[in-house]
Amino acid sequence: GNSVTQMEGPVTLSEEAFLTINCTYTATGYPSLFWYVQYPGEGLQLLLKATKADDKGSNKGFEATYRKETTSFHLEKGSVQVSDSAVYFCALKTSYDKVIFGPGTSLSVIP
Amino acid sequence: GAVVSQHPSRVICKSGTSVKIECRSLDFQATTMFWYRQFPKQSLMLMATSNEGSKATYEQGVEKDKFLINHASLTLSTLTVTSAHPEDSSFYICSARWLAADNEQFFGPGTRLTVL
Repeated sequence: GNSVTQMEGPVTLSEEAFLTINCTYTATGYPSLFWYVQYPGEGLQLLLKATKADDKGSNKGFEATYRKETTSFHLEKGSVQVSDSAVYFCALKTSYDKVIFGPGTSLSVIP
Repeated sequence: GAVVSQHPSRVICKSGTSVKIECRSLDFQATTMFWYRQFPKQSLMLMATSNEGSKATYEQGVEKDKFLINHASLTLSTLTVTSAHPEDSSFYICSARWLAADNEQFFGPGTRLTVL
């Protein structure tokens, strides 16, 4: 079946550190891949997406590349800020438009 | 941009009562909306797919008589938690699919339900 696996959290980084959150997926066909962010007490916001292999999604300094050969969609940011503290969800959308979420990775950025 | 709202944002109710949560797409029409449930510090689990003018499709293990879904118009879906119990306390999030945006789903801000 379809599933998404993310690195275990929580992740704690100092401001301006480099961020990587690993995400791998299992899916039939060619799913679209997403990263969502959830700030404390709020709903989900789409951070970035990629719809086909080798696409790179980017937004607000975050990037992720759809790697079909490794079934991965790792999230990266070169220099994190305190305001980036949130929970990050990797997700895929199947051909039936169901979105399947990973378990989420909590990120805390300290000054 | 596409905005999805939920009402209420928070609700506290007594055990045994029913609670209705609304999900609205404010600036687009959504033939399909989705309802998710999120337990504390956990991921979102899809509960059901709501289609305008037809019955909702529930995921395995979700009680359809407990979680009533009505998608009465192209901009409104409602989730009613009937005879709520403390174990129904959770964060409920809806999303709406916009065909014109390449079927992208836009998420609401969520409703936190607490059953006493």
